[in-house]
Amino acid sequence: QKEVEQNSGPLSVPEGAIASLNCTYSDRGSQSFFWYRQYSGKSPELIMSIYSNGDKEDGRFTAQLNKASQYVSLLIRDSQPSDSATYLCAVTRGAGNMLTFGGGTRLMVKP
Amino acid sequence: KAGVTQTPRYLIKTRGQQVTLSCSPISGHRSVSWYQQTPGQGLQFLFEYFSETQRNKGNFPGRFSGRQFSNSRSEMNVSTLELGDSALYLCASMPQGGSPGELFFGEGSRLTVL
Repeated sequence: QKEVEQNSGPLSVPEGAIASLNCTYSDRGSQSFFWYRQYSGKSPELIMSIYSNGDKEDGRFTAQLNKASQYVSLLIRDSQPSDSATYLCAVTRGAGNMLTFGGGTRLMVKP
Repeated sequence: KAGVTQTPRYLIKTRGQQVTLSCSPISGHRSVSWYQQTPGQGLQFLFEYFSETQRNKGNFPGRFSGRQFSNSRSEMNVSTLELGDSALYLCASMPQGGSPGELFFGEGSRLTVL
């Protein structure tokens, strides 16, 4: 079992819809949780971080964390074709930058 | 402000050779991390340096090594290259006082081992 699991997709949604991306993790000691976006041929870029249970909203993005269920999700409202990318879930347990990444979910937003 | 700069961007080596990759973090960033990205294994942590000291190390063989200089620039070296070392090697930096895990990635060095 991988430490961080994501459905590889592709997840296809129509423009303007809500895209829901999910991630589960196995290490109960995980403290910090991140969503990175990676466009094809580009490097990952951080879009959301979340540290405590509940929801965190930033513009069209909402990250949700449930530590009891070891579950992290990312909602993208009003999805745009420019949101088409691979979304990587990452977790870390300590103070350093030793991130464990999931395999990523490829999102396709169709005009 | 310049981003994280990695050189070279592309390189081809043969099995048994060694390679050195370079990373210049964003000005003012003192923490540098290295990751390997492959289609099969995804993104995997190699090591992290802060103030010239290795702070964390991932589960890679000793052929993978790195260092950081006093100006925060970092290098990683892979000796005795194997076909499976073909990958995109990503460097990431974190600003001083930043939140761990909130990283800025460079464009990567794509290594092909023949």
